[in-house]
Amino acid sequence: DAMVIQNPRYQVTQFGKPVTLSCSQTLNHNVMYWYQQKSSQAPKLLFHYYDKDFNNEADTPDNFQSRRPNTSFCFLDIRSPGLGDAAMYLCATSRPETAETDTQYFGPGTRLTVL
Amino acid sequence: AQKITQTQPGMFVQEKEAVTLDCTYDTSDQSYGLFWYKQPSSGEMIFLIYQGSYDEQNATEGRYSLNFQKARKSANLVISASQLGDSAMYFCAMREGTGGFKTIFGAGTRLFVKA
Repeated sequence: DAMVIQNPRYQVTQFGKPVTLSCSQTLNHNVMYWYQQKSSQAPKLLFHYYDKDFNNEADTPDNFQSRRPNTSFCFLDIRSPGLGDAAMYLCATSRPETAETDTQYFGPGTRLTVL
Repeated sequence: AQKITQTQPGMFVQEKEAVTLDCTYDTSDQSYGLFWYKQPSSGEMIFLIYQGSYDEQNATEGRYSLNFQKARKSANLVISASQLGDSAMYFCAMREGTGGFKTIFGAGTRLFVKA
């Protein structure tokens, strides 16, 4: 089945220790997104790739970086995690015809704990 | 101002009954898309249904239907014949034609289905 896969499902890191979350997709979608979701809140868009073009949200901290080495994979790097970065991180993909018809398909998420 | 408003933080419904989850939106764009996503406790966001601003018919997908009232700027989700597995968080979301690839999410409604 075509799908969006995130690894690991659960990640524990120490304060200040870099961590990388990964996302892969078999849908051949050209857009990939990273969202941060804190408990009982709506997801917050961090950035997205349209093909190789990287688009950062204005309020995404510099501590968060992303890489997309190819169509299938996208990584979220948190350079120096703080306690406030503990959250669920959701990856999503889409193949939009137009922005307003863009249906996103999400992975299962990675729950990050910062000690 | 909130662009997506979900006024029901929590809802209860008896199994096998229908339930309506409210969503109102605010946009000045003529072209926009409205989405509903379901998020079970496992964390994955599941796409349920889409309604385009120019669609004259209300969208339906199985037990899900979207009651789209454009003049009132509402896009309520109706779940018929509720099942225990419908217990989850439900997010209403919008994409504006001029908004690029940013999805605007509501705060969500937590639905509890009682046996």
